[in-house]
Amino acid sequence: SYDLTQPPSVSVSPGQTASITCSGDNLGEDYASWYQQKPGQSPVLVIYQDNKRPSGIPERFSGSNSGNTATLTISGTQALDEADYYCQAWDKSTARIFGGGTKLTVL
Amino acid sequence: QVRLQEAGPGLVKPSGTLSLTCAVSGISISSHHWWNWVRQPPGKGLEWIGEIFYSGRSKYNQSLKGRVTISVDKSNYQFSLKVSSVTAADTAVYFCARDPSPNGSDGFDIWGQGIMVTVSS
Repeated sequence: SYDLTQPPSVSVSPGQTASITCSGDNLGEDYASWYQQKPGQSPVLVIYQDNKRPSGIPERFSGSNSGNTATLTISGTQALDEADYYCQAWDKSTARIFGGGTKLTVL
Repeated sequence: QVRLQEAGPGLVKPSGTLSLTCAVSGISISSHHWWNWVRQPPGKGLEWIGEIFYSGRSKYNQSLKGRVTISVDKSNYQFSLKVSSVTAADTAVYFCARDPSPNGSDGFDIWGQGIMVTVSS
């Protein structure tokens, strides 16, 4: 098991690309998922198995995972994308861990 | 449509045991899915608590030091969480969630609405 480190905050202008990173030792050897959480709501899965989008998630959300870093990329960011984002790693032996979360602000 | 619904006391006394259930509807709890508990202290991030497979196989967050037990009740289509020896640090919104893959690799695609539990005398 290990810690997952995310930047506390990321800012982006509407229409631009936002990248949120998640770092952990050899994270690329495990699957990474990403969740979006808006105030007072339950989290929503936006990426699983590093780069797969669940049904209903817009194509502007994409993911990658290699080496020690997983990245969530939001292309053409919209105001409604403003939320907290959490990465999660899955290791088949030790199960799961969340990153500390990143607040995405769309300025 | 798969739905999860948490239930239980909203207030627990220090040193007591926190007990919650998660009712599963829209799918059999005996499906080959992993049923999870996650919590979120006020103003803080998500913390994975543990999970259980329909067969009863379970995994826990080792940081909770053996205070956690998760069980599945197939006859009542629900799974449960118990946290013993609670302190104020256990005050949080508790969510139940599902990973739909048999090996647990697909992330949590369904979440309950969450239930706030406060530990206080």
